[in-house]
Amino acid sequence: DVKVTQSSRYLVKRTGEKVFLECVQDMDHENMFWYRQDPGLGLRLIYFSYDVKMKEKGDIPEGYSVSREKKERFSLILESASTNQTSMYLCASMGPGFRAINTEAFFGQGTRLTVV
Amino acid sequence: SQELEQSPQSLIVQEGKNLTINCTSSKTLYGLYWYKQKYGEGLIFLMMLQKGGEEKSHEKITAKLDEKKQQSSLHITASQPSHAGIYLCGADLGNNAGNMLTFGGGTRLMVKP
Repeated sequence: DVKVTQSSRYLVKRTGEKVFLECVQDMDHENMFWYRQDPGLGLRLIYFSYDVKMKEKGDIPEGYSVSREKKERFSLILESASTNQTSMYLCASMGPGFRAINTEAFFGQGTRLTVV
Repeated sequence: SQELEQSPQSLIVQEGKNLTINCTSSKTLYGLYWYKQKYGEGLIFLMMLQKGGEEKSHEKITAKLDEKKQQSSLHITASQPSHAGIYLCGADLGNNAGNMLTFGGGTRLMVKP
C-alpha cells in the first residue's frame, strides 16, 4: 500500500539540464515537503507546500523551484542542474495541523540524482 | 550548525547490547518524531512524542521527550542486526506559521553479530 510515490529511484542528468522530480501522495494531505539528504548533513528542507499553489522556502531553496498545481502532486525543479546537486532527494506528505496530535509524515522511497 | 543536534553521529555496538541516541534542540519542540532509514531508502516512522515527559515504546525501542520539550532520547534494548540503519529525529521548531518539519543530522547504527 504505497502512499507517497516518487517518480524515479535513480536519475542521471547532465550539468545545465532542467530536471523535474515528481512526488504523488494518495492520502489527500495538505502538506508536502522536499528534502535532500547528504552524508553527515541529515535531511535538509528545500521547499514545502501547505496547500495547492502555496509554497514556502525551506533551509536550502537556492537552485530549486517547486510546483503544486494539484493537491496530490508536488514537483521539485532544478532549473539548471549542477554537480553539487547530486544527492538523495526525499519527498514527504503530512495531514493537516502538524502541531495537532497523532500526525506523522509519510516519506517516499527517495530519488538518487547524479549530475555529471 | 543544525537546529536539531543528534549524538552520536555513528555507533557500532555488539549484538545484545543496549544503546541510546540523543536529539537536542535549543528551542521548544512542538512535536518530536523518530524515523529509521535503511541505506538508500525512504524513512520509516517509529514514533511521535508531543507532551513533556512523554515516553513511548515499540518492541525493543523506547523514546522519551524531556519535561522542557527540548531533548529526546531513543533507547534500544538488546540490539539486533535488524536494528541497523540511520535513525533520524525530526521536529517542528515553530520557525514558521506553516508546518515545517526539521531533521537532525542522523545517527548511523551498526550492530555486529
